[in-house]
Amino acid sequence: QVQLVQSGAEVKKPGSSVKVSCKASGDTFSRYAITWVRQAPGQGLEWMGRIIPILGIPHYAQKFQGRVTITADKSTSTAYMELSSLRSEDTAVYYCARDTVTTQFLDNWGQGTLVTVSS
Amino acid sequence: QSALTQPPSASGSPGQSVTISCTGTSSDVGGYNYVSWYQQHPGKAPKLMIYEVNTRPSGVPDRFSGSKSGNTASLTVSGLQAEDEADYYCTSYAGSNNLVFGGGTKLTVL
Repeated sequence: QVQLVQSGAEVKKPGSSVKVSCKASGDTFSRYAITWVRQAPGQGLEWMGRIIPILGIPHYAQKFQGRVTITADKSTSTAYMELSSLRSEDTAVYYCARDTVTTQFLDNWGQGTLVTVSS
Repeated sequence: QSALTQPPSASGSPGQSVTISCTGTSSDVGGYNYVSWYQQHPGKAPKLMIYEVNTRPSGVPDRFSGSKSGNTASLTVSGLQAEDEADYYCTSYAGSNNLVFGGGTKLTVL
């Protein structure tokens, strides 16, 4: 049973950064990619980017280029998503998901991490 | 990349069928057979329902089916049940390691 377990909720000030973790079980890191998706309150899902852990190369949505950093620690099977220069519009639930490398469907999801940006 | 276009809402009575559309371009939906669909109940993480246009993961009822024609993909839910009431999102591979989501459709079972 694949599990993706994310870190807990965060409250951040505008202008600061947040780093969310996603620990994977099983063979996820050796065979899959990890994708990050966010969902603002009452809004839809938004793709932020992905990383293939065995390659260590991230890919980012154009919207988040320069503000997001996705990394993966193979030794602990943990992926990270760091978002900087936070603003109120970044208040959202952030999900990690297991991503099949070639066809990019997301077959297992973490439980989500609520990030609240407020002064 | 622009979001894929889905109707904001859809509805049907128990036992009926409903189809949700997902319109993109030749750079995403029309260019690849990598469309997937996700179901999301309130407060829950999304769940994969269809991948590669029309393939159901193990455990997903065969009442759910997918198709594609040109730049538009569709999800059909047959024999609607109360538990099918949820938000549904389509995604498509959009080239260069990019994924694009649809805006989501709220399915109501009347």
